[in-house]
Amino acid sequence: NAGVTQTPKFQVLKTGQSMTLQCAQDMNHEYMSWYRQDPGMGLRLIHYSVGAGITDQGEVPNGYNVSRSTTEDFPLRLLSAAPSQTSVYFCASRVGQGFTGELFFGEGSRLTVL
Amino acid sequence: GDSVTQMEGPVTLSEEAFLTINCTYTATGYPSLFWYVQYPGEGLQLLLKATKADDKGSNKGFEATYRKETTSFHLEKGSVQVSDSAVYFCALSDMIYNQGGKLIFGQGTELSVKP
Repeated sequence: NAGVTQTPKFQVLKTGQSMTLQCAQDMNHEYMSWYRQDPGMGLRLIHYSVGAGITDQGEVPNGYNVSRSTTEDFPLRLLSAAPSQTSVYFCASRVGQGFTGELFFGEGSRLTVL
Repeated sequence: GDSVTQMEGPVTLSEEAFLTINCTYTATGYPSLFWYVQYPGEGLQLLLKATKADDKGSNKGFEATYRKETTSFHLEKGSVQVSDSAVYFCALSDMIYNQGGKLIFGQGTELSVKP
């Protein structure tokens, strides 16, 4: 079982560069989301999607774009990277929107912006 | 808004010691409460959950009871092992201010267990 797969695991960018973090899940989950993890702040929701063609903003969406063209994939785009976006990024998925369900996380992508 | 507060780490214990990691929450609606664990170099995984007041979640020897009167969900284990060394996150999901099933996380508590 692959579960939630994120690529790349590590990336170094220069300020102003763009990149896409890839996320794919093979569990046919409707709900997918992106979180960033920063020291002392836990995880914060960036964007989420409740199904193909539907996306919405979380609590820290600025500087990030997402799209959901298929059930399986939910890429996160940084259009013009800034040092404040240095973080560890996690993709997570769940069956449906139910607020009691388990979130399944990928292994994370560590991004450094110089 | 909703929030979760955990005791600060790192916490260092000897093997077989008793563990408590405190977690308190603030929520407007009727939250479900979770503990997630992150082992070194891995993503988070669900450890246990409770969906209503007085529920007790348990898994792998860990327990936590949903206490609405004290707005708490403390994590406990009677005898920790070296393999329990990880970062533990308390989280809530609120039915009313749900934002598509958003989880609100505490800041995480790092546990280190020494042989």
